[in-house]
Amino acid sequence: EAGVTQSPTHLIKTRGQQATLRCSPISGHTSVYWYQQALGLGLQFLLWYDEGEERNRGNFPPRFSGRQFPNYSSELNVNALELEDSALYLCASSSRPPYTGELFFGEGSRLTVL
Amino acid sequence: EDKVVQSPLSLVVHEGDTVTLNCSYEVTNFRSLLWYKQEKKAPTFLFMLTSSGIEKKSGRLSSILDKKELFSILNITATQTGDSAIYLCAVDSGGYQKVTFGTGTKLQVIP
Repeated sequence: EAGVTQSPTHLIKTRGQQATLRCSPISGHTSVYWYQQALGLGLQFLLWYDEGEERNRGNFPPRFSGRQFPNYSSELNVNALELEDSALYLCASSSRPPYTGELFFGEGSRLTVL
Repeated sequence: EDKVVQSPLSLVVHEGDTVTLNCSYEVTNFRSLLWYKQEKKAPTFLFMLTSSGIEKKSGRLSSILDKKELFSILNITATQTGDSAIYLCAVDSGGYQKVTFGTGTKLQVIP
């Protein structure tokens, strides 16, 4: 069974540009979660998508947005990039209930903003 | 605001040593405490703890939760170089979308 896949692995952008990151969850998982892991910080929750809808977002500005497609894959868009957006962006998916506590993470996309 | 604090931030041990990693938390609605191992990029799930005093074990790893004192420990016995990783503690206060992670403990095991 394929795990959570993310692309691209690395992305280099300049300030003010836009970045698009992609994620495919494990087959059968309908929920996708996006996290930001900046240097020295823990994983910060960004967004949760389930069944095509944004269900919750973390404490991030509106320039962080995304969507979920009918096949449950997801896209994270970051507009007007700032230097502090440089981080590892992790996508995770979860199985259907019952709750197990386990999130399945992808290998992440490393975004560098110059 | 939910808060998870891990200590130490990093440590270096020799193969065969036993290590104890600490995690304390302050959350408004505790449901469970989670441990993950992050070797390169993708964190992988280790344990979920919900009840105080009940130890969860997986091979050389074990963890226990104290809900009264609001902390958990992760023990690794007979460490191996393959245990080198960042160990993340997290607390769930309302489902997968309400998981708060600590900054992690970076463990390095040297031969």
